[in-house]
Amino acid sequence: LAKTTQPISMDSYEGQEVNITCSHNNIATNDYITWYQQFPSQGPRFIIQGYKTKVTNEVASLFIPADRKSSTLSLPRVSLSDTAVYYCLAFSEEDSSYKLIFGSGTRLLVRP
Amino acid sequence: DVKVTQSSRYLVKRTGEKVFLECVQDMDHENMFWYRQDPGLGLRLIYFSYDVKMKEKGDIPEGYSVSREKKERFSLILESASTNQTSMYLCASSLPLGTANTEAFFGQGTRLTVV
Repeated sequence: LAKTTQPISMDSYEGQEVNITCSHNNIATNDYITWYQQFPSQGPRFIIQGYKTKVTNEVASLFIPADRKSSTLSLPRVSLSDTAVYYCLAFSEEDSSYKLIFGSGTRLLVRP
Repeated sequence: DVKVTQSSRYLVKRTGEKVFLECVQDMDHENMFWYRQDPGLGLRLIYFSYDVKMKEKGDIPEGYSVSREKKERFSLILESASTNQTSMYLCASSLPLGTANTEAFFGQGTRLTVV
């Protein structure tokens, strides 16, 4: 399983773009990269998933360079409600199943 | 609307008790997971199951067991609860990798206190 490394915390202000980078140096060929968001006292919520290049949805963009050793979650124009913990995961199929292993995440604080 | 339901939001149990945490999903998902979350440690995988009656250990299985007799239900069992098992427990489910969407859906969590 690929180990992921993220910054422990980040600060931003409302209206700014926030980029959170995740390192996964030993990512395997079949690994996907997924990001989750977690608010206090709630379970994590899926944000975005990708394999390579760029993926965009209504919430965020995910940039994955050609070597796939890192990925960047981009949140455009954050608001106070984006204050949360963001988790980067790299997962793959092992045998007939796969494990979802979460790291410690990045605690994002958005200030007014 | 997809749903993962955990039987209790808050539980208080005594040391040595056998504790059952129940999780039910209504999405016909093959994969189900149990995590615990502690301050500063993120989510740690206890057990997961990729099919009925199938289970695999996660990173911290000691002191826990699981049961998956039906596809929609995944139970976490604390055989003899201890104070170091006081934590937030989160259940999740997902489709297998290789399907169109491998998004995992989480329940609201069970905050267990062992006294």
